[in-house]
Amino acid sequence: RKEVEQDPGPFNVPEGATVAFNCTYSNSASQSFFWYRQDCRKEPKLLMSVYSSGNEDGRFTAQLNRASQYISLLIRDSKLSDSATYLCVVNSQAGTALIFGKGTTLSVSS
Amino acid sequence: DTGVSQNPRHKITKRGQNVTFRCDPISEHNRLYWYRQTLGQGPEFLTYFQNEAQLEKSRLLSDRFSAERPKGSFSTLEIQRTEQGDSAMYLCASSSQGRTEAFFGQGTRLTVV
Repeated sequence: RKEVEQDPGPFNVPEGATVAFNCTYSNSASQSFFWYRQDCRKEPKLLMSVYSSGNEDGRFTAQLNRASQYISLLIRDSKLSDSATYLCVVNSQAGTALIFGKGTTLSVSS
Repeated sequence: DTGVSQNPRHKITKRGQNVTFRCDPISEHNRLYWYRQTLGQGPEFLTYFQNEAQLEKSRLLSDRFSAERPKGSFSTLEIQRTEQGDSAMYLCASSSQGRTEAFFGQGTRLTVV
């Protein structure tokens, strides 16, 4: 089983749609969780950290379920500028390096 | 210093040659990471430094790859006897003590011909 697995995608949605991405991780001892965004041919950039109680940042909501080892990202009212690849990230078994999922591609169209 | 800096941005090399990449992390970030990314894949962890100590190394990292961070500031990644399969984007990231989120440089794109 891969350390971090994400929805295969791609997700093609119209502007204004709500879209959800899911991610599972294999190491139950993982402590830190993030969503990164990566635009085409650019470096990954931190979108938001994921906290145990769930957290929201504008149109973005992240949830963590430690029992199921599951992370989600919800994007409401999608914008054209949200088109990108979204990477689910957890820390490694050593508690140091960040391990990335393969990413899920989102395409928002007008 | 506003971010992680990587040099060169692009490198084309012939198979069998050695290449070296440099990463300058954000000032005062004591943690530095190297990742490799190919098309359609997420960044793949290669190795990690805390200050000058290399604390973690991926099992996937062959003995042709070596990384250093001699003074705990910039780091170099060397690939010896390059192969076509080494063609990828090599990303460097850094983070500060006590915070695990990492900030990436723009990467070095390696093409082995």
